Amino acid sequence: DTGVSQDPRHKITKRGQNVTFRCDPISEHNRLYWYRQTLGQGPEFLTYFQNEAQLEKSRLLSDRFSAERPKGSFSTLEIQRTEQGDSAMYLCASSLSPGEEKLFFGSGTQLSVL
Amino acid sequence: GEDVEQSLFLSVREGDSSVINCTYTDSSSTYLYWYKQEPGAGLQLLTYIFSNMDMKQDQRLTVLLNKKDKHLSLRIADTQTGDSAIYFCAESKRTGGFKTIFGAGTRLFVKA
Repeated sequence: DTGVSQDPRHKITKRGQNVTFRCDPISEHNRLYWYRQTLGQGPEFLTYFQNEAQLEKSRLLSDRFSAERPKGSFSTLEIQRTEQGDSAMYLCASSLSPGEEKLFFGSGTQLSVL
Repeated sequence: GEDVEQSLFLSVREGDSSVINCTYTDSSSTYLYWYKQEPGAGLQLLTYIFSNMDMKQDQRLTVLLNKKDKHLSLRIADTQTGDSAIYFCAESKRTGGFKTIFGAGTRLFVKA
């Protein structure tokens, strides 16, 4: 399978715990994006990388969120001190730049904070 | 997404045409997109249109773009039950970086 893969598919955690998600993009894609989606809403932009450089973070992203893409390949998204409001589907997407910016999405990680 | 607006629901009969509408705000958007999301899955790109085009046709899909009114539509001909899904309109924004902004999605119900 050469698509975007995300791990884990589901994560249940207690409030206050830290969680980390992983995304493996399509291998030749140099851009990687993280989005968050809640029920009944479209994906909300969180951050994106061009190779290993994090070029933009949403102003909605609190300091408890951090993302890395150390070698320009896979990426991790960490949420520290989780809150119930962090419960959502976290989607990763990748694209090849320059170009039409066509995003290829993974299946997402569903986070539930109890 | 506050920059992209869509109607929330659409119900059609199998075999009819579906038209999903969207308005966007950023006149500098280079590309506009339609993505499809089925239950429990990530988004899948259906089609896209470059901002200097008025129309694009791809098999059963027709995209119409009215730049003056910042209006985008997706027409699905001969709608099938398998087309039942959520359809997201999206625009690419070059201001403040390079990112794709999505609408809240239109839920399409196809009745047999």
